[in-house]
Amino acid sequence: QVQLQESGPGLVKPSETLSLTCTVSGGSISSYYWSWIRQPPGKGLEWIGYIYYSSGSTDYSPSLRSRVTVSVDTSKNQFSLKMTSVTAADTAVYFCARVMTSHWYFDLWGRGTLVTVSS
Amino acid sequence: EIVLTQSPATLSLSPGERATLSCRASQSVSNYLAWYQQKPGQAPRLLIYDASNRATGIPARFSGSGSGTDFTLTISSLEPEDCAFYYCQQRTSLTFGGGTKVEIK
Repeated sequence: QVQLQESGPGLVKPSETLSLTCTVSGGSISSYYWSWIRQPPGKGLEWIGYIYYSSGSTDYSPSLRSRVTVSVDTSKNQFSLKMTSVTAADTAVYFCARVMTSHWYFDLWGRGTLVTVSS
Repeated sequence: EIVLTQSPATLSLSPGERATLSCRASQSVSNYLAWYQQKPGQAPRLLIYDASNRATGIPARFSGSGSGTDFTLTISSLEPEDCAFYYCQQRTSLTFGGGTKVEIK
């Protein structure tokens, strides 16, 4: 079955750029929207942004739009997140997720990866 | 931005009891609301979408209701494995509620 796996550095310095990749295995990245969601330790969920596999069209949370870019590499069945100028407030578990067809809910999730922002 | 407020913050019940979780939206979201379950150290799992539709593989003891601004997730008979956080999410601006923790006595 389709699985998602996040990868990237677990530690990022303040003011630097956070970069994560989500690899889709067991199925194609085609025909779906793909998203990033984060969860600070002990807190709730925050949607970051999404991308559509074919057109590359994106949308982002208004609070993060100025610092975030989501991109897709269909040849590798991967999509990625870049977040610039990170601070300690960006420390969180970052999840990649699939957007449910014809709905705007998240029906498949990666296990998540903890990113800590610290010098 | 639409704000979702969940209550109570914590619900402590015994196995077999009925759990009722609430999610209130700051403005109408029609029936465009989902519920997720998240256990410690795991990713969230989609339980209910469009307010009342169970996702694939979700047991029948989970049900959702509501429309407009007031929504309810009901667990008809609590099982020990239902101990988790539960979050609601609306699809207009993709925001989540703050969550309800369900504890088993």
